[in-house]
Amino acid sequence: KQEVTQIPAALSVPEGENLVLNCSFTDSAIYNLQWFRQDPGKGLTSLLLIQSSQREQTSGRLNASLDKSSGRSTLYIAASQPGDSATYLCAVRAAGNKLTFGGGTRVLVKP
Amino acid sequence: NAGVTQTPKFQVLKTGQSMTLQCAQDMNHNSMYWYRQDPGMGLRLIYYSASEGTTDKGEVPNGYNVSRLNKREFSLRLESAAPSQTSVYFCASIDGQAYGYTFGSGTRLTVV
Repeated sequence: KQEVTQIPAALSVPEGENLVLNCSFTDSAIYNLQWFRQDPGKGLTSLLLIQSSQREQTSGRLNASLDKSSGRSTLYIAASQPGDSATYLCAVRAAGNKLTFGGGTRVLVKP
Repeated sequence: NAGVTQTPKFQVLKTGQSMTLQCAQDMNHNSMYWYRQDPGMGLRLIYYSASEGTTDKGEVPNGYNVSRLNKREFSLRLESAAPSQTSVYFCASIDGQAYGYTFGSGTRLTVV
């Protein structure tokens, strides 16, 4: 059974610092990995999608890497801003089109 | 705007009452999903529909039923609500293998 773990569970940084969020998964037989952002009381917004054949994806200040063989992905957010405060979730997609989520990392960027 | 629409956004039920959560997507996606999100438990799959006319159980199906009414719509029914079903429910859809999931904004359900 696929298990997805996100460490740390919570992170607090001063504005301007780079954020590094980690995601690990136990079964490397995945189709892709997706990073989401969730604001309190809101739904999930897709940030980046990395296919299993890719090593990384970039969008603006966000960069996500994928090392499928070791079961790891890292989300980097450069020059953090208070507006980046949210919970970040990673999810892996495997056979059967099922998505398995990590528990999330709650980020607070202090002005 | 294209996306996944869920109704209602909020609902309070009494124990034993029934209700149906509605989900519709206008992206012509084949697969649709229902998840619940609980503090400390993350997002868990309740039911999914890989294509129109098919439905399958996910991780936590007990107490729920689903209907894939057509390609656009996938509803979740609670026949006899219990306090343990207090949660935030998310509907999602996806097209092909290479694409990512699109989620609705959620339904906050409280069972008292």
